[in-house]
Amino acid sequence: KAGVTQTPRYLIKTRGQQVTLSCSPISGHRSVSWYQQTPGQGLQFLFEYFSETQRNKGNFPGRFSGRQFSNSRSEMNVSTLELGDSALYLCASSLTQQADTQYFGPGTRLTVL
Amino acid sequence: ILNVEQSPQSLHVQEGDSTNFTCSFPSSNFYALHWYRWETAKSPEALFVMTLNGDEKKKGRISATLNTKEGYSYLYIKGSQPEDSATYLCALAGSTLGRLYFGRGTQLTVWP
Repeated sequence: KAGVTQTPRYLIKTRGQQVTLSCSPISGHRSVSWYQQTPGQGLQFLFEYFSETQRNKGNFPGRFSGRQFSNSRSEMNVSTLELGDSALYLCASSLTQQADTQYFGPGTRLTVL
Repeated sequence: ILNVEQSPQSLHVQEGDSTNFTCSFPSSNFYALHWYRWETAKSPEALFVMTLNGDEKKKGRISATLNTKEGYSYLYIKGSQPEDSATYLCALAGSTLGRLYFGRGTQLTVWP
């Protein structure tokens, strides 16, 4: 079974631009969660989608948004990029229950100049 | 918000040493505790999901225990090998669907 894939793997943008990251979950998984990791910080939860609906959102500004398509693929968008948005963005897919394992992709490394 | 603490922050051991690290949390109000191994430039890899007090899991040389009453989980590695070098993450699954609360991890380096 193919794992979680994320594209692109690396991205360089400048302040003020916007960016879209993509995540393809494991086949059959309907939940996709997004996390941000910055140096010195643990993984911070951005949001989670299930069956095309955002069920939960972390404490991030409205510049961070996402969506999920009918095939469970998910995208996240960051508008008006700031230097502090430079981070590794990970997505994870799982079945449906809270105790289910989340399977992670390799991440997208975003650098904002 | 579930506050997850991991200790130590980093650990250096010699090949063949056994080691353990701790994940602590203040509440038993969660559904599961997850352990992940994260090697540089790779995806975090799921090791264990633990749901019951007194639960113990084992996978080869790695094992984990959970004590929900006292709020901690231990991860043990027996006879560490250089390929065990990675960051080990602990995460709680609470009532918020799809959200894991991660600790900052323990970075393990095993020297040959």
